[in-house]
Amino acid sequence: GENVEQHPSTLSVQEGDSAVIKCTYSDSASNYFPWYKQELGKGPQLIIDIRSNVGEKKDQRIAVTLNKTAKHFSLHITETQPEDSAVYFCPRNDYKLSFGAGTTVTVRA
Amino acid sequence: DAEITQSPRHKITETGRQVTLACHQTWNHNNMFWYRQDLGHGLRLIHYSYGVQDTNKGEVSDGYSVSRSNTEDLPLTLESAASSQTSVYFCASSGGQDYSPLHFGNGTRLTVT
Repeated sequence: GENVEQHPSTLSVQEGDSAVIKCTYSDSASNYFPWYKQELGKGPQLIIDIRSNVGEKKDQRIAVTLNKTAKHFSLHITETQPEDSAVYFCPRNDYKLSFGAGTTVTVRA
Repeated sequence: DAEITQSPRHKITETGRQVTLACHQTWNHNNMFWYRQDLGHGLRLIHYSYGVQDTNKGEVSDGYSVSRSNTEDLPLTLESAASSQTSVYFCASSGGQDYSPLHFGNGTRLTVT
């Protein structure tokens, strides 16, 4: 079945800098790649997703890029702000597996 | 607005007691999921349902059960609570078979003493 690996597990950035999180998947048939953000005390929330027929998608300061050849997709956050501090997940698209520990992003003021 | 709500938000119970956590969604979604979240383990799938009368085991289903008698609700029951089940529990729903966003509740923090 599908296996998704996420790196890094923690990421600390200076406010205003960029943050990049990468997920690698194993199933070449995968065609949907979501990113979730979990703020403290809340459930995860979908922030952006991409389908395999698109190489990049942007929404204000966040973007997702997909490299189907290398089987990885990345979340890019530009001009980071304190409210970007959260845990970010890239789950399997059928959700029938754990989300994993995600990436804890800390934005330093 | 449609939403997904979990109750209670906090629960303390004793070892051996039966506990039921409620999850109610007004999205009219067919798919519902229960996860637990523990430090170092991320979100782990307990049970899930693709529709009324359908239930399936997830990765960590031992000691838990669910039932789906209507579209809106998927209660999670701990048959005999154990200290290892102290965790934060999240319910989620989605509309399609795949490629549909998950909508999460804000969780129930359960402490088993």
